[in-house]
Amino acid sequence: DAGVTQSPTHLIKTRGQQVTLRCSPKSGHDTVSWYQQALGQGPQFIFQYYEEEERQRGNFPDRFSGHQFPNYSSELNVNALLLGDSALYLCASSLAVSLSSGANVLTFGAGSRLTVL
Amino acid sequence: QKEVEQDPGPLSVPEGAIVSLNCTYSNSAFQYFMWYRQYSRKGPELLMYTYSSGNKEDGRFTAQVDKSSKYISLFIRDSQPSDSATYLCAPGLGYQLIWGAGTKLIIKP
Repeated sequence: DAGVTQSPTHLIKTRGQQVTLRCSPKSGHDTVSWYQQALGQGPQFIFQYYEEEERQRGNFPDRFSGHQFPNYSSELNVNALLLGDSALYLCASSLAVSLSSGANVLTFGAGSRLTVL
Repeated sequence: QKEVEQDPGPLSVPEGAIVSLNCTYSNSAFQYFMWYRQYSRKGPELLMYTYSSGNKEDGRFTAQVDKSSKYISLFIRDSQPSDSATYLCAPGLGYQLIWGAGTKLIIKP
């Protein structure tokens, strides 16, 4: 049973460019969340997608956008890259029904490491 | 003051020791308390979570929550070199998880 898969694993961009990161959730999961993790820090919540809609959003600018497809996979897009966007971007999947009954149990992928020069 | 505080470490202990990892939090509304483990160059993986004050045990791991003190602990018994990782606490409220910065643990053979 495949877990959460993310691509690419590493990428290097320059300031001002745009990037798209991709995520396939764990089989059976219907909700995808994206997190940004800077070195030495905990993950910071970017947004969550369920039923192809952004349901929740953290404190990130509009340069960060996303999409969820009918097969539950998701993309994270970042425009006008800044040096400060360099980080590990984590995708996490979950079951919406599990949240309604208790804790938000997330399964994470290995992440996409973005370096902005 | 951050909502969730963790000592960043590194915490270095010999193999076989009992390890205590701790978090403090400020929001008394948190409903559940999670511990994730993150190996280098990997995503976090869930170790365990609990809803209430008290202890919850899973194998060599015990999670302890003291809501009156807003204090969360994770104990690891008979620590192994494979336990070397960063441990993240994450109290939660609904969909929202508030993450600590993690404590780096090193188990010396």
